[in-house]
Amino acid sequence: EPEVTQTPSHQVTQMGQEVILRCVPISNHLYFYWYRQILGQKVEFLVSFYNNEISEKSEIFDDQFSVERPDGSNFTLKIRSTKLEDSAMYFCASSEAATIEQFFGPGTRLTVL
Amino acid sequence: GENVEQHPSTLSVQEGDSAVIKCTYSDSASNYFPWYKQELGKRPQLIIDIRSNVGEKKDQRIAVTLNKTAKHFSLHITETQPEDSAVYFCAASYGNKLVFGAGTILRVKS
Repeated sequence: EPEVTQTPSHQVTQMGQEVILRCVPISNHLYFYWYRQILGQKVEFLVSFYNNEISEKSEIFDDQFSVERPDGSNFTLKIRSTKLEDSAMYFCASSEAATIEQFFGPGTRLTVL
Repeated sequence: GENVEQHPSTLSVQEGDSAVIKCTYSDSASNYFPWYKQELGKRPQLIIDIRSNVGEKKDQRIAVTLNKTAKHFSLHITETQPEDSAVYFCAASYGNKLVFGAGTILRVKS
């Protein structure tokens, strides 16, 4: 069964550094998402991406965040200058269409020191 | 605003008993309501979902009910087993995104 994959599984960085989190969505899916989950809290929406552009973003997704689909398979989330409060698990998800099942990747645990 | 309330935050049941988790949403335009199970350190896994044109859906020991008028939906797990222990999240669609509830820690005691 196809799955969403994410790399790395754990990223440790210094405050102020840039990080890029990578995702490979399921191949026939057209909608891509990033969510984050601070330890012990709920899953929070960051951004959705369709047809090579952002379709929706949350208040969390400020100018420090960007997403890109650099080729036909990868979907990346970049945080330009990390802050301590960016420490969280970041989940990528994909779906065939809007408002149907979203398949989540295993997550990248980001630790900002 | 976009909000999903989930109750209870923790739920302990005896093995074999039923568990019920309830959620309410705020936007009448929401039309898709999934439930995810998340084990410690793992990704959320979809266990059941329901669309706004359906009032109830069942899959073996798991069922979901939706009351569109009241804007609430519930997850029912019957004959609970220790492996059902996990965090359960409800979610509602708002536009192109899912808004999640705060989660329910379900503990099934054997």
